[in-house]
Amino acid sequence: GAGVSQSPRYKVAKRGQDVALRCDPISGHVSLFWYQQALGQGPEFLTYFQNEAQLDKSGLPSDRFFAERPEGSVSTLKIQRTQQEDSAVYLCASLPAGGYNEQFFGPGTRLTVL
Amino acid sequence: RKEVEQDPGPFNVPEGATVAFNCTYSNSASQSFFWYRQDCRKEPKLLMSVYSSGNEDGRFTAQLNRASQYISLLIRDSKLSDSATYLCVGDGSSNTGKLIFGQGTTLQVKP
Repeated sequence: GAGVSQSPRYKVAKRGQDVALRCDPISGHVSLFWYQQALGQGPEFLTYFQNEAQLDKSGLPSDRFFAERPEGSVSTLKIQRTQQEDSAVYLCASLPAGGYNEQFFGPGTRLTVL
Repeated sequence: RKEVEQDPGPFNVPEGATVAFNCTYSNSASQSFFWYRQDCRKEPKLLMSVYSSGNEDGRFTAQLNRASQYISLLIRDSKLSDSATYLCVGDGSSNTGKLIFGQGTTLQVKP
């Protein structure tokens, strides 16, 4: 079956622009996670959804970052007024109900803020 | 201090060598640990879970020492295809599936 997909794969934004990154999890997966991976670093947790409920947003670095999953499937991560330090790969991962061991990651969106 | 710490390397080894990676974690309440593999410009993929009793999958052996808060990964008979970044991962005592990643250790296997 299809894996986790993300779009766009690459995004270049001018500083101050707003961007929206999309994640399509594996069909039926209940849990969805967003991570930010800076160059040379491991992924850092941003936020977590169980179905449409955002249960943990402790990793969002500022109020410029906003995520939603209104129907419990597709999720969007929005970054307002982008800054250069937002440049990173944004990874989405999903888990089935009761799943715990293996998160299935999408290919990521590489965001470059100029 | 990061919750999961790894030596970033790089580790450069010849084919056939045995290489060991170590990782420490600071949250003693963490329950589950994993090694993920990440190829250049690709997404992380689960390599193996880590258990206190130790577990082996072919050429790969993972070990967890809860007393020392220490995790290891041993790769025997290295192949060129093992070249990648290996991410040490814990659950940070979360029961949601949230993952806490180390910085990653880069392995380069040379012919």
